[in-house]
Amino acid sequence: ETGVTQSPTHLIKTRGQQVTLRCSSQSGHNTVSWYQQALGQGPQFIFQYYREEENGRGNFPPRFSGLQFPNYSSELNVNALELDDSALYLCASRNGAANEQFFGPGTRLTVL
Amino acid sequence: EDQVTQSPEALRLQEGESSSLNCSYTVSGLRGLFWYRQDPGKGPEFLFTLYSAGEEKEKERLKATLTKKESFLHITAPKPEDSATYLCAVRNTNAGKSTFGDGTTLTVKP
Repeated sequence: ETGVTQSPTHLIKTRGQQVTLRCSSQSGHNTVSWYQQALGQGPQFIFQYYREEENGRGNFPPRFSGLQFPNYSSELNVNALELDDSALYLCASRNGAANEQFFGPGTRLTVL
Repeated sequence: EDQVTQSPEALRLQEGESSSLNCSYTVSGLRGLFWYRQDPGKGPEFLFTLYSAGEEKEKERLKATLTKKESFLHITAPKPEDSATYLCAVRNTNAGKSTFGDGTTLTVKP
């Protein structure tokens, strides 16, 4: 069974640029959530996708957007990058009916 | 709004010195309380789910317990490899998201 994978591992961007992060969910999981984790803090919920539809969103501006594909993989897009967007971005997947979610290794984004 | 507070922020133990980590929470309706372990620069690793007050779960040197307002993660005779940040999260009955605390960073010295 393949776990949650994310790409790229690390990314450096400059302020104002756009970035796309990718996530492949664990086999059999149809729900994907994205989290932002700043250094020394817990993960903050960005949004969740279930069967290609966004069905929950945290307190993040519209420049954070996402997609889920028919194979349940997902993308997180961030436009007009700001310095405060520097963080570890985590993807987690679960079966829609289950409580437990499993995290990928994360993408470390640095905005200069 | 759901809230999770973890204490202490950091804990240093000698190998074999047992202790407990605290997670205080407020949630409108608890669907589950979760404990994760996170190593530096890595994604959180799922440890336990607790559903109702009085429930306990164990895994190796770790035992998680739950009351209506708190959860404890008890670490018995820890080893250096138990050093990590331990995260607590809650999910309420009306939301798909999980709300996390900021974690307790545990360091176990040999």
